[in-house]
Amino acid sequence: RKEVEQDPGPFNVPEGATVAFNCTYSNSASQSFFWYRQDCRKEPKLLMSVYSSGNEDGRFTAQLNRASQYISLLIRDSKLSDSATYLCVVTAGRRALTFGSGTRLQVQP
Amino acid sequence: NAGVTQTPKFQVLKTGQSMTLQCAQDMNHEYMSWYRQDPGMGLRLIHYSVGAGITDQGEVPNGYNVSRSTTEDFPLRLLSAAPSQTSVYFCASRGDYEQFFGPGTRLTVL
Repeated sequence: RKEVEQDPGPFNVPEGATVAFNCTYSNSASQSFFWYRQDCRKEPKLLMSVYSSGNEDGRFTAQLNRASQYISLLIRDSKLSDSATYLCVVTAGRRALTFGSGTRLQVQP
Repeated sequence: NAGVTQTPKFQVLKTGQSMTLQCAQDMNHEYMSWYRQDPGMGLRLIHYSVGAGITDQGEVPNGYNVSRSTTEDFPLRLLSAAPSQTSVYFCASRGDYEQFFGPGTRLTVL
């Protein structure tokens, strides 16, 4: 079983739609959680951290459920520019980041 | 501020050749790492370093060597290239809050 699992998609949604991605992790000692965004043939870049209380950054909302060991990312009012692969990332303290395989989002006009 | 730089951007090798992928960062980060990314596999950790002179193996270290003689540089050496090492390689540098990636090296081994 992979340490971090994501639905690979693709999620094809129209502009303006709301879309949600989930990610599950197996290491109960995981302490820090992130969503990274990766555009085609580019390097991953931090989208947002995920806090226990949930957090929001504009159209993006991230939530963490420690009991069920999953994190989620909600994107409201999708834009064409949101088309990318979204990587779920977890780490236990100062250990290396563990990446999910990514969920591909395609926003269509 | 250059962040994390990698060279070369593209490389084609023949089976059995060796080469070094260069990585440098100017953020004075102690933690650096190398990943490879293959379709459907996500990013897999090859080697990492928590400071100059200290390196350790990640998930997929076989066929690769690293060294960390300075805080800034973290080169990755392919000892004897194999077709299975065809991949995109990312170097990363991690601060207190965020991990920054280099632009990647696309390596093809024939």
